Amino acid sequence: QKEVEQNSGPLSVPEGAIASLNCTYSDRGSQSFFWYRQYSGKSPELIMSIYSNGDKEDGRFTAQLNKASQYVSLLIRDSQPSDSATYLCAVTYMRFGAGTRLTVKP
Amino acid sequence: NAGVTQTPKFRILKIGQSMTLQCTQDMNHNYMYWYRQDPGMGLKLIYYSVGAGITDKGEVPNGYNVSRSTTEDFPLRLELAAPSQTSVYFCAARISDTQYFGPGTRLTVL
Repeated sequence: QKEVEQNSGPLSVPEGAIASLNCTYSDRGSQSFFWYRQYSGKSPELIMSIYSNGDKEDGRFTAQLNKASQYVSLLIRDSQPSDSATYLCAVTYMRFGAGTRLTVKP
Repeated sequence: NAGVTQTPKFRILKIGQSMTLQCTQDMNHNYMYWYRQDPGMGLKLIYYSVGAGITDKGEVPNGYNVSRSTTEDFPLRLELAAPSQTSVYFCAARISDTQYFGPGTRLTVL
């Protein structure tokens, strides 16, 4: 069974802090990784994609990939209350984690 | 949700009934997907399509069928609805590495 595991949370951080979201996957041959944000009652929207080991930055978001450890993470700097949502990790377009609920407190 | 529409938004079915969830995209994307999302869970892939006339099973295809006669439409058919199919269903279309999701259909089977 090819799995994608995330800490279910909830994760709570104060406004302005760094939120760190983690994801591990079991299929060592996976090549593409994605982070989605999903507000309550809404559909997922893509935040970041990453394919190579290392870091990829886009504004306040940084995705980190370590294929040897089968680990992908998302850092959100200067967290805002509007970042409060569930964050889904996906490996290819086929498998999603259960999501981590993030709350940013003003 | 721009470009991907789903109907209906809500539906209640009785056990054993059938229905078709509609999905239409106006972006001319070849790749389309159907997922289901149970409460507190991630998305599970039901079926996907890489183009008109080509479909393939995902992780949880049992109890569902799809067709892709045009690039725009990718309907999902539920035959003999069961309570285990109570879920939120999302359709998505993809170009390059970006998936665009529809607003979802909330289905309850009683």
